[in-house]
This record gives sequence, structure tokens and C-alpha cells, in this order.
Amino acid sequence: GESVGLHLPTLSVQEGDNSIINCAYSNSASDYFIWYKQESGKGPQFIIDIRSNMDKRQGQRVTVLLNKTVKHLSLQIAATQPGDSAVYFCAERSKAAGNKLTFGGGTRVLVKP
Amino acid sequence: DGGITQSPKYLFRKEGQNVTLSCEQNLNHDAMYWYRQDPGQGLRLIYYSQIVNDFQKGDIAEGYSVSREKKESFPLTVTSAQKNPTAFYLCASSIVGRAPGFGEGSWLTVV
Repeated sequence: GESVGLHLPTLSVQEGDNSIINCAYSNSASDYFIWYKQESGKGPQFIIDIRSNMDKRQGQRVTVLLNKTVKHLSLQIAATQPGDSAVYFCAERSKAAGNKLTFGGGTRVLVKP
Repeated sequence: DGGITQSPKYLFRKEGQNVTLSCEQNLNHDAMYWYRQDPGQGLRLIYYSQIVNDFQKGDIAEGYSVSREKKESFPLTVTSAQKNPTAFYLCASSIVGRAPGFGEGSWLTVV
């Protein structure tokens, strides 16, 4: 079946550097993508989303890029801070699949002081 | 998300027992979801509902049941048929077509 996966299970980054988290998806019918941040023992928090008619969207310190040709999604975090240490998940939705929201396996980001 | 309340935070189940996890939202959202998360893993969809009195199975519905009698409530029952229920359970809600917000989760342990 369709799946959403991540390339890197753990990412270590120096405080102040930029972080890039990657995600591959396999369902070409997916039309909506979301990035979430999850801290230990808590529910995921929404970071940013993007629809399939866009290839880039920016938020505060974050940018999501969507490449539909290669079915790839990335989250860029500028000037990474200690508070950015968490697990990051991408999720995708397909209207054709009844609006199910499917999550990838997650990437842990560790920010070094 | 402050508008989504899950209870209890911690729950223990004996072998052969059914347990029910509560999820309430005051955001007037039509869509509600239940996910299961095992340690170090991603979220897997159990059930979801896009409207009152209707719900669909997710990827791992076996051993679980839900109801959606009220817009604000979407309880999840973990039945004795679920052989490995120990996990972190997350409820979410959204306006249909928008990104769901999540509750703080419920930890279920079999004793």
C-alpha cells in the first residue's frame, strides 16, 4: 500500500545551523502534506502544511519544499535552537483514499549546544 | 491542543478486559481520528470519522471499536481481541481537509 517514509532516523545539528529533514512518499495521488513536531510523551504539534498545487511554503523559521516529480518533501529549520530538539513527522493525505492521514516513521533532531 | 481532551492519561488493563479511552473536543471540528504510537515508532491510524454517526477503519482497526454519537466525542474501546494493546494512543480533530490538532495522549499498559 501507499507509505510515507523518512530518509534519516536521527539528525544531529549544531545550534544556530540550519536543519533539513527529508521525507519520501509513494502515493502520487496525495494532495496535502503536513509536518509535525513531537516532544517526548506529548501529542504532535502542527508546524506547517503544503498543498500539492504549491512547491514551497514558508513559516516562521521553517520552510517546506514539495517536489512532486520525485515524490519528496522536506522541512528546513533555520537557525536551529535547543527547543527544536524533538521528533519530526511528515504526513500525507489523499482525497482518493478517503482523506486518511498517513504518517511517516519520524526523524529525531538533536541540537548540540 | 488545548481544545482536545483525552482521558485518562494513564490506564492499566488486565488480560481479557475491554477499556475505553475518552476523546472530547470543543473546537466544533467535524473530523476526528485515533492513532496508535509504539515506542520509537510513527503514528498508525486506527479509526477516523468525518461526520457524526459515521466512521471508517484505518490501517490497524482490528481489536478496536469506536462510536461517534456526538460531534464533540469520539471514544475508543480497546477490546480483548487486541492482543498487544500496550501503546500510546493519540486522538486528533480537524476541520475536514485541514491539518488535525492532537490531544496529549493516553498511555495504555497491559498488566
